[in-house]
Amino acid sequence: NAGVTQTPKFRILKIGQSMTLQCAQDMNHNYMYWYRQDPGMGLKLIYYSVGAGITDKGEVPNGYNVSRSTTEDFPLRLELAAPSQTSVYFCASSLQTSYEQYFGPGTRLTVT
Amino acid sequence: KQEVTQIPAALSVPEGENLVLNCSFTDSAIYNLQWFRQDPGKGLTSLLLIQSSQREQTSGRLNASLDKSSGRSTLYIAASQPGDSATYLCAALAGKSTFGDGTTLTVKP
Repeated sequence: NAGVTQTPKFRILKIGQSMTLQCAQDMNHNYMYWYRQDPGMGLKLIYYSVGAGITDKGEVPNGYNVSRSTTEDFPLRLELAAPSQTSVYFCASSLQTSYEQYFGPGTRLTVT
Repeated sequence: KQEVTQIPAALSVPEGENLVLNCSFTDSAIYNLQWFRQDPGKGLTSLLLIQSSQREQTSGRLNASLDKSSGRSTLYIAASQPGDSATYLCAALAGKSTFGDGTTLTVKP
């Protein structure tokens, strides 16, 4: 099993550009999550999904959108990128709520 | 709103020492608590998951405890090694997850 995969690993965006961060898992997990981690800080939840077609906001959803059309994939869309969105983005999955979470390797995003 | 605090933010110990990392949370209505390790520039690796009905979980030299009533969890590392140097994060799992900011551990040879 590949576990949780994320692409790209690194990306530089100009202010106002848009992009989609890809996340996929092959563990047939119901729950998927997007977090951001700023330097020296813990992780903050952006969005999460409890299954295909169902998503909900986390702590810091502004400036982001998600969709989940399949169990495996959970892309994160950034519209009109801002410098405040410079961060490392992690995708994670778990079988059920509050079960053990498995993380992808992260995407390091810089907005200049 | 759940808040998770990890103290100290950084810890430096000589090799071979036993040590304890602390994690406190404000809302005791959690389902589980998970400890992670993060190496610089890398993702998170799960170390231990303690279910709310458990008080302890062990894996090798690691032992994690959970006391929901006091809002505390500890991660005990026995006989520390330089390879244990990393940032350790805890997460309170209650539907939505809340992470602490981590403790950065340095084990000196």
